[in-house]
Amino acid sequence: QQQVKQSPQSLIVQKGGISIINCAYENTAFDYFPWYQQFPGKGPALLIAIRPDVSEKKEGRFTISFNKSAKQFSLHIMDSQPGDSATYFCAASRQAGTALIFGKGTTLSVSS
Amino acid sequence: DGGITQSPKYLFRKEGQNVTLSCEQNLNHDAMYWYRQDPGQGLRLIYYSQIVNDFQKGDIAEGYSVSREKKESFPLTVTSAQKNPTAFYLCASSFGPANEQYFGPGTRLTVT
Repeated sequence: QQQVKQSPQSLIVQKGGISIINCAYENTAFDYFPWYQQFPGKGPALLIAIRPDVSEKKEGRFTISFNKSAKQFSLHIMDSQPGDSATYFCAASRQAGTALIFGKGTTLSVSS
Repeated sequence: DGGITQSPKYLFRKEGQNVTLSCEQNLNHDAMYWYRQDPGQGLRLIYYSQIVNDFQKGDIAEGYSVSREKKESFPLTVTSAQKNPTAFYLCASSFGPANEQYFGPGTRLTVT
């Protein structure tokens, strides 16, 4: 009930391509879904987040798609660049709940 | 400069010793969190605190202790009871339990 399952574990994309990372959750009480980007040896940085009242949110090259009925959400990185090479984590939480529940992460490598 | 600071960046201890990791924030956030990160495991919640003088156990609290005497500070003690303490420790803060969490740079603890 508390898990957030993230896939794939690793991803290699060519420069200019689209990177897609998927997450699935079980707890229907979750209502906040952020994505974090982490570079080696650094703390995660909040990238973009969505709440279930919308199906899509876009910020620059980053888009979250949210499917409430399927209990899935995904991160799309358009025009992927080598500087996007990092580990990405999805997460979820309840509005009045505790802390974030994180997926296990996806390591993205963008080849030039 | 506003943000979350963690010190030290690297910490080495001998087995059997307690060690305290520092986390300070000047963002005026109410909630603070400690996560542990191991390769391929994502971020796992150790403890969190929503207000001063109050804190709750996370998923992996055994062998750890915390205090929250000031709003700005949330130190984590890794005790000798923690069976596998070597890890990357991350502190985070937010305005509330489900609001955006911001992470510090992390402390890498190595116990030999």
